[in-house]
Amino acid sequence: DTEVTQTPKHLVMGMTNKKSLKCEQHMGHRAMYWYKQKAKKPPELMFVYSYEKLSINESVPSRFSPECPNSSLLNLHLHALQPEDSALYLCASSQETGGVQPQHFGDGTRLSIL
Amino acid sequence: GESVGLHLPTLSVQEGDNSIINCAYSNSASDYFIWYKQESGKGPQFIIDIRSNMDKRQGQRVTVLLNKTVKHLSLQIAATQPGDSAVYFCAENLGKSGAGSYQLTFGKGTKLSVIP
Repeated sequence: DTEVTQTPKHLVMGMTNKKSLKCEQHMGHRAMYWYKQKAKKPPELMFVYSYEKLSINESVPSRFSPECPNSSLLNLHLHALQPEDSALYLCASSQETGGVQPQHFGDGTRLSIL
Repeated sequence: GESVGLHLPTLSVQEGDNSIINCAYSNSASDYFIWYKQESGKGPQFIIDIRSNMDKRQGQRVTVLLNKTVKHLSLQIAATQPGDSAVYFCAENLGKSGAGSYQLTFGKGTKLSVIP
């Protein structure tokens, strides 16, 4: 079982809905990441948080809004999404000390936009 | 464009044989590489990593080789088992992107199918 927990596992929403994806880790990692993965494609980085501060936004549309309430939690707020936003959304975390350490991924939220 | 790519999109091997999955990268400044395994319906699972000051690292049944001269990375799986069937991604770190975090760029992935 992964040590990064994502909820919900599946989400279906309309284009006018507002929903949130949640990610939680209890490994003491201070770097957390959101990725988007389309079918049969590699994960693509969306956002990076370091010590609860947003450090990278990979030109993601504003209909995706990340939030890091504390060092263990990472949210992704969704609003007015488009059908092409349907994908697997992955959360990852990594240690921030002792040099570069592996990113550990959750099993993702599979999002479908109607 | 992507700086990390793979020579083979699919690979079929007999159970018990060794598997070799290859990956080419283009950025000579990359200092850290990771191999991930992704099974259907799951997130990428860390397999093994290697830093640019090394050329070989071994784990349990897996070995990663790094050839910086030709910018090539490979993953060797010994005695491949049906449970090894998955998509394998290589990923490179182009260097630290901020305090305590870094950016990974993933290759396209190779689907490994193990024939019983």
